[in-house]
Amino acid sequence: SQKIEQNSEALNIQEGKTATLTCNYTNYSPAYLQWYRQDPGRGPVFLLLIRENEKEKRKERLKVTFDTTLKQSLFHITASQPADSATYLCASQVIYNQGGKLIFGQGTELSVKP
Amino acid sequence: EPEVTQTPSHQVTQMGQEVILRCVPISNHLYFYWYRQILGQKVEFLVSFYNNEISEKSEIFDDQFSVERPDGSNFTLKIRSTKLEDSAMYFCASSARVSGANVLTFGAGSRLTVL
Repeated sequence: SQKIEQNSEALNIQEGKTATLTCNYTNYSPAYLQWYRQDPGRGPVFLLLIRENEKEKRKERLKVTFDTTLKQSLFHITASQPADSATYLCASQVIYNQGGKLIFGQGTELSVKP
Repeated sequence: EPEVTQTPSHQVTQMGQEVILRCVPISNHLYFYWYRQILGQKVEFLVSFYNNEISEKSEIFDDQFSVERPDGSNFTLKIRSTKLEDSAMYFCASSARVSGANVLTFGAGSRLTVL
C-alpha cells in the first residue's frame, strides 16, 4: 500500500542553525508533496507544496526539495528560531481526483533551543 | 483570514454514549473532511464529503460513524456507541475546488475522551 514515512525521532537543534527534515514515500509516485506544521493540541497548518517537476521551492526561511529518484522530499528551515519548534508533517494525495484525501506521515518533532 | 471552526473543543463522554462533533468549514469551500489523531500517532483520514454525500471513507469509518451537512454551513461527525479507543483529537478540514493540488485548511480540533 502507499506510504509516507518521516523520521519519528525528534530533531533538536540550536537557534540559528538549519533544520532538515526528511519525508520518504513508497509504492506510489505523488504528483506533489505538501508540508504542514502542527503545534501541540492544534490542527495542521499548510506551509508549502512542491510538484514533481519542481526540484526546489522556497518561502521565506523555508525550502522544500523533491527528488523523484530517491522518492524523497527534504524540508529545510534556515536560521531556525525557538518559535519554529513544532511537529512538521509531510502529506500527499494518492489519487488525483478533485478533493481527494491527503495521507500524512507520522511527523517529525522539531525543537529549537535558544 | 477565513478559518474552520470546530465545537466542542473538548468533550468527555461515557463509553456507549453518542457524540456529535460540529464543524463550520470555510464558506466557499466545497470539499469537507474528518481526520482523527490518537495521542502520539499520525493524522488519519476518516471520511471526505462532497455535494452532500460521502466521496471516500477509510476502514476506520464503519457503521459507528456518520457525517451530515444539515444546513449550508455546518458539517457534523456523529459517533454512536463510543468505545474507549475512540478517544482522540478529531479534526475537520475543508478545501476549495481547484485543479491539481488539494490543500486542506484544518480546524483546531475536538478532543474526545471516552471513559
